Amino acid sequence: QQQVRQSPQSLTVWEGETAILNCSYEDSTFNYFPWYQQFPGEGPALLISIRSVSDKKEDGRFTIFFNKREKKLSLHITDSQPGDSATYFCAAYDTNAYKVIFGKGTHLHVLP
Amino acid sequence: EAAVTQSPRSKVAVTGGKVTLSCHQTNNHDYMYWYRQDTGHGLRLIHYSYVADSTEKGDIPDGYKASRPSQENFSLILELASLSQTAVYFCASSDGWGSQNTLYFGAGTRLSVL
Repeated sequence: QQQVRQSPQSLTVWEGETAILNCSYEDSTFNYFPWYQQFPGEGPALLISIRSVSDKKEDGRFTIFFNKREKKLSLHITDSQPGDSATYFCAAYDTNAYKVIFGKGTHLHVLP
Repeated sequence: EAAVTQSPRSKVAVTGGKVTLSCHQTNNHDYMYWYRQDTGHGLRLIHYSYVADSTEKGDIPDGYKASRPSQENFSLILELASLSQTAVYFCASSDGWGSQNTLYFGAGTRLSVL
């Protein structure tokens, strides 16, 4: 069974700190990794994504670091804000097949 | 802006009853999806469709049917609802498959089967 694992399950940081959310996968055919952000009562929305040909993707305070050899990636949220409190899902795509797996998510709480 | 509308937003059903969840998108997208979200399981793909009048099985299709009567509409049907199908269901659409195509999710339907 293909797996996308996220850790930690829950993370609490103070406002202004950097939150680090981790994701790992098993299937080497995965080549595209979007991160989705979900607020309570809403559907997930794309936050940032990276292709396996890159090792880093930055968008404002959000950065993905990708290690293809170890099949790991992480989402860094710098200068965390209370408004960043949400659940973050890592997903893995094999774009050459109809295959996508979502992780179970990380609940981020940013305290003011 | 992309718009995916789900109805109803919440529903209580009885075990063994029939449940239909509806999804409507105004994005002019070819692909539509039904996902299930459970605590501890994240998002799991039930069915998807890339053209009207055709549906495909996802990772957990058992106990569910899907219908795509038009590009804009995609329904999820539980013919005989069971307790284990209590969950939040999300519909999504995308312009295509893969790295060029963002999933746009609806706000979800919370289904409770009693």
